[in-house]
Amino acid sequence: AQTVTQSQPEMSVQEAETVTLSCTYDTSESDYYLFWYKQPPSRQMILVIRQEAYKQQNATENRFSVNFQKAAKSFSLKISDSQLGDAAMYFCAYRKQVGGSEKLVFGKGTKLTVNP
Amino acid sequence: DAGITQSPRHKVTETGTPVTLRCHQTENHRYMYWYRQDPGHGLRLIHYSYGVKDTDKGEVSDGYSVSRSKTEDFLLTLESATSSQTSVYFCAISAGRGPYGYTFGSGTRLTVV
Repeated sequence: AQTVTQSQPEMSVQEAETVTLSCTYDTSESDYYLFWYKQPPSRQMILVIRQEAYKQQNATENRFSVNFQKAAKSFSLKISDSQLGDAAMYFCAYRKQVGGSEKLVFGKGTKLTVNP
Repeated sequence: DAGITQSPRHKVTETGTPVTLRCHQTENHRYMYWYRQDPGHGLRLIHYSYGVKDTDKGEVSDGYSVSRSKTEDFLLTLESATSSQTSVYFCAISAGRGPYGYTFGSGTRLTVV
């Protein structure tokens, strides 16, 4: 079963505007971590932002912020003042405990285009 | 990326041949992972390791094996490459439990012809 769902395969935004990428996840755990990764055309995976489930305050990193709704199991990424360099694939990920180990489970990604 | 390197960066191989991809880290992290990335599928976990000689299967492990004889090295072997294994392969490392994201290597683009 899909643990992380990104319902928007593609999104576009005008430069300097704001865009929100959606992510929902499924878990029975009460304490966990969520992440957004960016993958530009260079293929490198870059950590954008992280959220700890026990923290009610939404994480913020400069122009990037999240809307974390724990009860709804929703974790959306907001990019403000979009720049051309924000064009990339964005992946939502959930860190899952597996016995004494753990692993990161990814959504299928959202391709973001930034129009000048 | 700093602290983690993958080799080779690109490889073309023939169907039926064995292939080994290497991941090397200098961070002394306990956890290492191999993912494959395919269009429309995101990143899917192949195998992971939680210590030297401690490995386990991920969701798409068929046709792959791994070995970790040292903390710093994690090898992925395609025992007999098939065209369905054409993909981009990423290695990742993690310090473990806590608010740590994973650090990824630059990826290996593998083409099986």
